[in-house]
Amino acid sequence: DVKVTQSSRYLVKRTGEKVFLECVQDMDHENMFWYRQDPGLGLRLIYFSYDVKMKEKGDIPEGYSVSREKKERFSLILESASTNQTSMYLCASTTGGPENTGELFFGEGSRLTVL
Amino acid sequence: GQNIDQPTEMTATEGAIVQINCTYQTSGFNGLFWYQQHAGEAPTFLSYNVLDGLEEKGRFSSFLSRSKGYSYLLLKELQMKDSASYLCAVTDSNYQLIWGAGTKLIIKP
Repeated sequence: DVKVTQSSRYLVKRTGEKVFLECVQDMDHENMFWYRQDPGLGLRLIYFSYDVKMKEKGDIPEGYSVSREKKERFSLILESASTNQTSMYLCASTTGGPENTGELFFGEGSRLTVL
Repeated sequence: GQNIDQPTEMTATEGAIVQINCTYQTSGFNGLFWYQQHAGEAPTFLSYNVLDGLEEKGRFSSFLSRSKGYSYLLLKELQMKDSASYLCAVTDSNYQLIWGAGTKLIIKP
């Protein structure tokens, strides 16, 4: 079975803390994505990567950074967490590079609460 | 701007048929996806349409009309386990996915 694994299902952090969300996929996919999902809104793309050490800003990158040192791992970093970053964070992967139209495989999600 | 519209919530009866609509306005089109997401779980792929017409996959079918910017997901012989949110997403001319907010489907016995 293909798998995308996110390190933490639930996290509670305080305002100003640094937060790391880890995502690992075992499908040798080139493309990896970080989304946030909030009630009443569609999935919003934070950052994506089509290759190791490559990263591109999505629609809402402010307040976030990412790291892709290995093909299978894509990390999302909140340098200084704020209450408006309370959300469900979803990692996804797919094969094929920038013009891929294949299905996304999602992790289970990380629900972050910032107090 | 780019926009995907789908109803917020729908209710249907076990054993019945339900149609979930999705309309889109995007800069270009490279395909339309439907995903299913159960509460507290990850979205999972249901279907992909890039040409006009109906794609059937078991109890689920997806239809696309590119000229009308319209798709629907048809679920037949509804089961309680079909209670979930259904997400419509369109790939635009830059191969970026644009997501709708999702339709929460409630199945009643």
